Amino acid sequence: DAGVTQSPTHLIKTRGQQVTLRCSPKSGHDTVSWYQQALGQGPQFIFQYYEEEERQRGNFPDRFSGHQFPNYSSELNVNALLLGDSALYLCASSWTGFTGELFFGEGSRLTVL
Amino acid sequence: AQSVSQHNHHVILSEAASLELGCNYSYGGTVNLFWYVQYPGQHLQLLLKYFSGDPLVKGIKGFEAEFIKSKFSFNLRKPSVQWSDTAEYFCAVNTDKLIFGTGTRLQVFP
Repeated sequence: DAGVTQSPTHLIKTRGQQVTLRCSPKSGHDTVSWYQQALGQGPQFIFQYYEEEERQRGNFPDRFSGHQFPNYSSELNVNALLLGDSALYLCASSWTGFTGELFFGEGSRLTVL
Repeated sequence: AQSVSQHNHHVILSEAASLELGCNYSYGGTVNLFWYVQYPGQHLQLLLKYFSGDPLVKGIKGFEAEFIKSKFSFNLRKPSVQWSDTAEYFCAVNTDKLIFGTGTRLQVFP
């Protein structure tokens, strides 16, 4: 049973560029949450998708957007990259009736130069 | 807005020492509480959780945590740590979304 898979694992971008990160949830899960983890910090909630709609959103600007597909996979898009967007981006999946028990992927490490 | 505070940023222990990591949250309503662990090179995984009932909950690998509602606390404990417990530990609270603390880095030396 595959867990949560994310791609790419590492990527380097320059300021002003756009990036798309991808996530496949654990089998049987229908809800995907995205988190940003800066170095030495805890994961910060970006947003959560369920039934292809954004259900919850954290305190992140509109440059951060997402999408969920009918097969429950998800994308995180970040436009107009800033140096401060450099972080580990974590995808986590869960099932309906979200109780806070999340299954995490290994993350996508984004470096903005 | 809800928040989670972890008081210890970096803890260094010798094997067999006892461990207690502090966690306090701010939210007036009903919460679900969690501890997640991130071992070196691995993804975040659930260590234990509290939803309701007995405020003393037991998790994997001999860890336990106690929910004290009056203190808004959910401290993590282990009577005797092992070298393999070296990891980063995150306390988290769920209301309508899961909010994490800043984490505590635990280093255990043989």
